[in-house]
Amino acid sequence: SQQGEEDPQALSIQEGENATMNCSYKTSINNLQWYRQNSGRGLVHLILIRSNEREKHSGRLRVTLDTSKKSSSLLITASRAADTASYFCATDDGAQKLVFGQGTRLTINP
Amino acid sequence: DTAVSQTPKYLVTQMGNDKSIKCEQNLGHDTMYWYKQDSKKFLKIMFSYNNKELIINETVPNRFSPKSPDKAHLNLHINSLELGDSAVYFCASSPSGEYNEQFFGPGTRLTVL
Repeated sequence: SQQGEEDPQALSIQEGENATMNCSYKTSINNLQWYRQNSGRGLVHLILIRSNEREKHSGRLRVTLDTSKKSSSLLITASRAADTASYFCATDDGAQKLVFGQGTRLTINP
Repeated sequence: DTAVSQTPKYLVTQMGNDKSIKCEQNLGHDTMYWYKQDSKKFLKIMFSYNNKELIINETVPNRFSPKSPDKAHLNLHINSLELGDSAVYFCASSPSGEYNEQFFGPGTRLTVL
């Protein structure tokens, strides 16, 4: 069954603006991960946040995790045209598999 | 280059045919996966192998048969292809350990006519 659900499904912003994507999930997790998929390519791992962490940073990426609300957010600051892609959250419940949401399609307009 | 590679990148075939997709990783990972991504971009796990042993087998028709000749390879054979099998199939691998960060191949776009 689908675990993560992303919101919004699509987001279009101007270059330089910040982009925020949200992910909600249903069951307990070991960790939550965010991936990026450029058009016609495979997924690329961006960042992993453990269930006992609340916030994590990597370059222009900031991820938060609220296990009480079963939700996570991905913030991309100072967006660039190259950030145009689909972004997926994936939950790991410790059973050696990831369950992916349907993704947010992000478009950065020059 | 260290990576997960898949062949072929595109596969167009008729209904009823049998086809295979191959995957190789040279990252030294113990676990490999097959995912199916449908036209709505929904990505669903199909199979997972750890050191050549099947550990995850989601509800997938038995027309799909994975085979792992060694821990660096995981192939997917599909019998009697149906229209609904049209999708992009991704192979992925991950190292052993507590955190299941996965590395994906470029995908194989399968079109069944």
